[in-house]
Amino acid sequence: AQTVTQSQPEMSVQEAETVTLSCTYDTSESDYYLFWYKQPPSRQMILVIRQEAYKQQNATENRFSVNFQKAAKSFSLKISDSQLGDAAMYFCAYRSAAFYNQGGKLIFGQGTELSVKP
Amino acid sequence: NAGVTQTPKFRILKIGQSMTLQCTQDMNHNYMYWYRQDPGMGLKLIYYSVGAGITDKGEVPNGYNVSRSTTEDFPLRLELAAPSQTSVYFCASAARQGGVEAFFGQGTRLTVV
Repeated sequence: AQTVTQSQPEMSVQEAETVTLSCTYDTSESDYYLFWYKQPPSRQMILVIRQEAYKQQNATENRFSVNFQKAAKSFSLKISDSQLGDAAMYFCAYRSAAFYNQGGKLIFGQGTELSVKP
Repeated sequence: NAGVTQTPKFRILKIGQSMTLQCTQDMNHNYMYWYRQDPGMGLKLIYYSVGAGITDKGEVPNGYNVSRSTTEDFPLRLELAAPSQTSVYFCASAARQGGVEAFFGQGTRLTVV
């Protein structure tokens, strides 16, 4: 079974600085997807960025980028030029590309609470 | 463009009561899911469905039931509510092909007292 681990329950960053959130996962599959979701106090789950395992190039979305290390099974999220609105819970998630595997369910890490100091 | 709509947003139940959490999506997605989120934990899968008429258990199905009579709707039924079911519940949907991300409803905060 696949697992996702986020070892940092809380992180803090100064506004305008850079922070990296860690995520490791375990799987025997070769084809899968990885995601970072943001959950602000409103509870809404917002997709931040996604990475296809077959792609070697790291995904980027504006100030958000990932460091995907497939052999090490590591998938960290870097937030550059942090803003007050980035304060939220961040979840790392895994989805098998074999959708017949439990309907392509998302497997989540425990989350990292990010605070941004002005 | 509504996406995934969950109702209600908040609910307080007494022990032993029953209720249904409603979920509907307008994106014609085949896959739908119910997750629960407990404090300090990630989301755990309760039930999922790969299409109308097909449902299956996830990691934590005890105390819950689901049905999927249409592509759009995937209600979650709580029978005989217990304090252990106090949680935030999320419904989500995803396509079979094309985009691979899941889309989430706004969540339901349920308290059982």
